[in-house]
Parts: sequence; C-alpha cells; structure tokens
Amino acid sequence: AQSVAQPEDQVNVAEGNPLTVKCTYSVSGNPYLFWYVQYPNRGLQFLLKYITGDNLVKGSYGFEAEFNKSQTSFHLKKPSALVSDSALYFCAAYNTDKLIFGTGTRLQVFP
Amino acid sequence: KAGVTQTPRYLIKTRGQQVTLSCSPISGHRSVSWYQQTPGQGLQFLFEYFSETQRNKGNFPGRFSGRQFSNSRSEMNVSTLELGDSALYLCASSSATTDLNEQFFGPGTRLTVL
Repeated sequence: AQSVAQPEDQVNVAEGNPLTVKCTYSVSGNPYLFWYVQYPNRGLQFLLKYITGDNLVKGSYGFEAEFNKSQTSFHLKKPSALVSDSALYFCAAYNTDKLIFGTGTRLQVFP
Repeated sequence: KAGVTQTPRYLIKTRGQQVTLSCSPISGHRSVSWYQQTPGQGLQFLFEYFSETQRNKGNFPGRFSGRQFSNSRSEMNVSTLELGDSALYLCASSSATTDLNEQFFGPGTRLTVL
C-alpha cells in the first residue's frame, strides 16, 4: 500500500538552531513529494515540491527539503528556525490522482 | 486572486442529520478535492472533482458524496451523521492540467456532531 510516514509527532527546537522534520514514503513509481504547513484555524499552505531534478528543493519561508531515493526520504529542513515557524507540518506524496498525507509533525520553536 | 473559500466555517449537527458543505475554488481552477482531517486519522482523501465529474475517490462510505457545478464550485454532503464524522473538512483546488500542480487549500469547515 502507498503510504507516507512522519515518525515524529513533535519536534522541539530553539530559535536560531537548524531544524529537520522527517518524512519517508512508500510509493510505486517515481514519487512526487510535497510539504505543506498548517497554522491554527487555517488550511494547509504549500511549502515546496519535488518532481524531478536536483535532490535539494528550495521552498517558501526559507525551507528546503532533501530527496533521497535510496532511503526513500524527503526531510524538511531550515538552517535557522524562527518562533513563527511553529505549526503543523505535513509531508505528502502524489499517487494516481490523489495526495497521500503523513500524519503530521508539530514543530515547536522556543525563543 | 481570491483564495479557496469554504462555507460555513463551523457547523454543529446531531447524529442522524445530514449536512452540506460548500467550496468555491480559485478562479480558473477546475479541480476540487475534499479531505477529512481528524486528530486520530490525520488527513484523508475523500474525493476529487474535475469538470463536474468525480475523477477519484477515497475509502469512505457512501454516506459521503459530492458534486461539482459548471462554475467549478463544489459541495460535499454527509448523510446520517455519526459522532465519528466530527472533523475539519478541507477543500483544495488546482488548475490540474496535470496531476502535479500544487493544491491550494481553503480554511476548512469544522463539523461537530453531537
């Protein structure tokens, strides 16, 4: 079965430190991968996507993600976290006309 | 461009009732997808409509149905509500000329079933 896994329910990081939110996928064929962010009482906002090409994808708000085919991973990263980055982050894979989402990781950035 | 709008934003119903949720996509977008978000199950795909036709469907019972109008607006209907239907229902639109276009999400409708 196609699936996306986010192994951490919550990630805590101090402001100014680098952050990583992990994602692994199990999708047949070439994966098309996405990261979305959800702020309280808001819908999901697109951050970035990987379709093909360079394994390092740059997205909105200084976020980037690294695609690793051998490890079937697509981890979200940011060199220096901000308190305003605190939100719920979803990894997703596109498969046969629908997005399959991970369960989400809550990122908490402390001042 | 205006974003995806969903109405109502909040809804309280009782078991056995039915409910209709509405979604207006971004102008020019012809694809509308619906998702259910719950703390336990996360985000689950309900169905997608493109040019008034259901193009894809998730694993939900027949109580969940939808439709899309010629102006691309979409409605989702849930009949015979159960307590477990309490969730945030998200709608997303895309231009969807290919499957790889990003989806733009609305703020959601929070449904509470008592």
